[in-house]
Amino acid sequence: RKEVEQDPGPFNVPEGATVAFNCTYSNSASQSFFWYRQDCRKEPKLLMSVYSSGNEDGRFTAQLNRASQYISLLIRDSKLSDSATYLCVVNIGSNFGNEKLTFGTGTRLTIIP
Amino acid sequence: EAGVAQSPRYKIIEKRQSVAFWCNPISGHATLYWYQQILGQGPKLLIQFQNNGVVDDSQLPKDRFSAERLKGVDSTLKIQPAKLEDSAVYLCASSRLRGQETQYFGPGTRLLVL
Repeated sequence: RKEVEQDPGPFNVPEGATVAFNCTYSNSASQSFFWYRQDCRKEPKLLMSVYSSGNEDGRFTAQLNRASQYISLLIRDSKLSDSATYLCVVNIGSNFGNEKLTFGTGTRLTIIP
Repeated sequence: EAGVAQSPRYKIIEKRQSVAFWCNPISGHATLYWYQQILGQGPKLLIQFQNNGVVDDSQLPKDRFSAERLKGVDSTLKIQPAKLEDSAVYLCASSRLRGQETQYFGPGTRLLVL
């Protein structure tokens, strides 16, 4: 089983729709989780961290389910500018100086006008 | 604040040749990472430096890849000799401290090995 697994997509979604991605991880001791965004031929950039209680940033909501070992990203009212690859990132090491971030393969999202 | 700088942006070489990539992290960032991103995959960590010391190089193919970070600032990654499967984007990232997980990536060097 891969350490971090994502559906590669592509997800083709009409503008204004809501879309959700899941990501599963294999190490139950993983401590921290993130979503990064990568535009075509660009570098990854942090979109948001994923907290145990879930967190929201505008149209984006991230949630963590430790029991089932997955994290999710929900995008509401999708915009054309949301078209990108969304990378699930898991710290499979411990915190406090021993972090080891592992990236999923990414989920490609295209918003259709 | 200036971002992570990398050069060259593109490189085309023939197999068995050598190549080197350069990275200048964000000023004040103690931790520097080199990743390899093959088309259609997520970035894979090759090596992680804390200041000028290596803290993780478990996924670095040491028979052909080497990296150094002299003086704890700039870093170079070298491949010698290159293989076809080394064709990828090589991303450099930095973070303020090893405990600060937000990594800031450079634009990457796109390598094609023929």
